[in-house]
Amino acid sequence: AQKITQTQPGMFVQEKEAVTLDCTYDTSDPSYGLFWYKQPSSGEMIFLIYQGSYDQQNATEGRYSLNFQKARKSANLVISASQLGDSAMYFCAMTNQAGTALIFGKGTTLSVSS
Amino acid sequence: GEEVAQTPKHLVRGEGQKAKLYCAPIKGHSYVFWYQQVLKNEFKFLISFQNENVFDETGMPKERFSAKCLPNSPCSLEIQATKLEDSAVYFCASSPRASYNEQFFGPGTRLTVL
Repeated sequence: AQKITQTQPGMFVQEKEAVTLDCTYDTSDPSYGLFWYKQPSSGEMIFLIYQGSYDQQNATEGRYSLNFQKARKSANLVISASQLGDSAMYFCAMTNQAGTALIFGKGTTLSVSS
Repeated sequence: GEEVAQTPKHLVRGEGQKAKLYCAPIKGHSYVFWYQQVLKNEFKFLISFQNENVFDETGMPKERFSAKCLPNSPCSLEIQATKLEDSAVYFCASSPRASYNEQFFGPGTRLTVL
């Protein structure tokens, strides 16, 4: 069965530092998509970045990049130059085998301090 | 519209009462997804639609939960005879394509069952 694992319940970083949020996944399907979402304390879900399993290059979106290591089945999110507004819960997700839904990890809470 | 709209924002029901939640997907998006988030971290997929057709309902507790997406109407998720464990935030998301595509989330409906 497909599974997403986020092993860090909480991470702490200082402003302007880079931080890596870990995500490992388990699937036997060769074709899948990986996503990261941010959920601030206000509760909305904000899409950050997407990586397809066949994409050769790591995805980047502004200060966010996805460190995709297919053989290790990991899809870590790297946030460069952290800002106070980055404090939130971060969820890693992947498409299910049928491609009909997302499977989420349990999330990592990121706290950025000044 | 340009955003997924969900109503109501908050819903309080006594155990055994009915709850009905609504979702208007982004205009032009053919796919609608419902997720349940319990205790601010666990996301559970409930059901997805392709236009008015059920796409995947493997996550639905069928005894008490039902959902519809009818043409020219908001999609709905209905819980008959609510239980305490149904207390959660229910998110609706929409997407122009089924898989390997970001899902745009609505703000969620917080259901509290007393």
